[in-house]
Order: sequence, then structure tokens, then C-alpha cells
Amino acid sequence: GQNIDQPTEMTATEGAIVQINCTYQTSGFNGLFWYQQHAGEAPTFLSYNVLDGLEEKGRFSSFLSRSKGYSYLLLKELQMKDSASYLCAVRGRTNDYKLSFGAGTTVTVRA
Amino acid sequence: DGGITQSPKYLFRKEGQNVTLSCEQNLNHDAMYWYRQDPGQGLRLIYYSQIVNDFQKGDIAEGYSVSREKKESFPLTVTSAQKNPTAFYLCASSPDSPIEAFFGQGTRLTVV
Repeated sequence: GQNIDQPTEMTATEGAIVQINCTYQTSGFNGLFWYQQHAGEAPTFLSYNVLDGLEEKGRFSSFLSRSKGYSYLLLKELQMKDSASYLCAVRGRTNDYKLSFGAGTTVTVRA
Repeated sequence: DGGITQSPKYLFRKEGQNVTLSCEQNLNHDAMYWYRQDPGQGLRLIYYSQIVNDFQKGDIAEGYSVSREKKESFPLTVTSAQKNPTAFYLCASSPDSPIEAFFGQGTRLTVV
């Protein structure tokens, strides 16, 4: 099975940096994804890691350590529009397309 | 335009009735997924399919059924056996390589 854990809520100030952690225990590993979801909307893709290290995409970066079963999403220069839920998802074995999500972390950005 | 379409956006049904949610994609993706999301919760996997005429149970398949007769289509039936069917249902698709899944806009089902 797959067990994916994230903090439930985080609050930060506009312009600040927030780091959302995700730990996972899965039967096989073939990639970790981060999605952003605004209330009532579909999730949108932010980043993908399959090898250890940091992937940077503008204000968003994601890090992966496969040996530790750990990832984080780093949001820099926070804007009010970044208030949303952030979902960590893991894809299992190479030939298995199962994509499982954590419960999500709700980030609130305050002025 | 390529994309994934769910219909309808809102659906109301009486308790005890089966209801089918539509999901169509024209992205030529092999894999398709159905997730359920309850208020304030993450996405829970109901069923997924890697190829036509084949599908696998996810973590909460009880009370649901699916079919995959065409590559483009992956309808989900919420049966009367599903004890608490009111939720936001999301369909997604992805190619066979492990890149991101693309989501439809969701169907909000309310059973009264």
C-alpha cells in the first residue's frame, strides 16, 4: 500500500517563504508530484521529481530524497493568490500507473 | 483543443438511484483515473485504468463501478451500494510515461 503524509495547514505572510513537507511509504516508486488546488477547482500540476535533488520552477521548488521517503515544496515570495491546498502525490512501481495523493496542505497567505 | 472533459458539473440524485459520471479525453493518454474528494480532504483513488478493457480497484472502490471500452472514455457509476456518495468527483488521465496527470473540472454529486 501507499502512505503519504503532509501537514494539514500552514499560514505565512505575503512575501515570505513556506516549505511544505511530504513523507511517503510506498510499494515501489516512480515519481513524486506536487499539485495546487484552489477551493472548488481541479488540481493543477506544479512539479515532478523522480531523482534525488532540487527542481526549481520560478517561485516554486521541489526537493526529493528517495532514501528518506521525503519531499518538500518550497514556495518563495508568497502572493495572496498562493492561498490554496497543495497536494503531494506518488506514482508506484514502473509498470503500475497507480497515482496516490496525500490529504493536502492548506496554505493561507496573510497580508 | 486537447483536454479532459467531465460532465455534468453538478448532479443531483435521489438516494438509492445509480448515477453515471462521464469522463472523456482527447489527449491520447493510456491511463485514466477516478478520484473522490470530500470537503477539506485530499483525493482518494476509486479506480484506475492503464489500458482499454482493463481497470484496477483503487483504495475506495466499494459501491462504484467503471468500464473502459474506448481509450477516450472512462465512465464511473456510483451505485446504490455506495453509503455516502455525496462528494466532488475528479477524473484524470496521463500518458504511459511517468509525467503529470491532467484533471477534468470535476463533477459535484449531491444525493438527497
